[in-house]
Amino acid sequence: GAVVSQHPSRVICKSGTSVKIECRSLDFQATTMFWYRQFPKQSLMLMATSNEGSKATYEQGVEKDKFLINHASLTLSTLTVTSAHPEDSSFYICSARDQPLANYGYTFGSGTRLTVV
Amino acid sequence: SQQGEEDPQALSIQEGENATMNCSYKTSINNLQWYRQNSGRGLVHLILIRSNEREKHSGRLRVTLDTSKKSSSLLITASRAADTASYFCATDETGANNLFFGTGTRLTVIP
Repeated sequence: GAVVSQHPSRVICKSGTSVKIECRSLDFQATTMFWYRQFPKQSLMLMATSNEGSKATYEQGVEKDKFLINHASLTLSTLTVTSAHPEDSSFYICSARDQPLANYGYTFGSGTRLTVV
Repeated sequence: SQQGEEDPQALSIQEGENATMNCSYKTSINNLQWYRQNSGRGLVHLILIRSNEREKHSGRLRVTLDTSKKSSSLLITASRAADTASYFCATDETGANNLFFGTGTRLTVIP
């Protein structure tokens, strides 16, 4: 089945630094990938939709300059948290679609636990 | 907000009992999906029910969908301690190109 690999699984960084999270579709091409954020004991909130070869579509309230998304190939999307602050500490999860609309095709990465100290 | 609501927020049952979780949503959907998440881990897809389906089974899982009430339920029968996790519904909405997740139910199955 479809597999999405997300790295790193955990990262600790200092305030003010930037962190890059990678999301790769291993056995399929994903024209669209999604980035979610999850606070402890809460649900997943969609941050942005990443489209291969074009700019990402951000959800309301998500800072584009803060969370840089690059989807340069059909198998890789990256999320860079720039100038990280402790309030950016969260669990970030990516997902990718490999099937047309109205069919199940969402595969999720295993998530990245970001801690900003 | 397009986020669905789930209830209960938390559920604690004895092993062997059944667990029922409910999900309500707000818009028109293509399908509704249920996911499981162990603490601090990624999501595992459990089951998908399409908008023209009313009930679906998969092993010990039974999902219902009532599009007139915009609600779904997930029933886990004969629960096991290993079923302890958070369960989320997610809607694949008509005209949208992503999933919207419910608020989740934290299930604890006591051995």
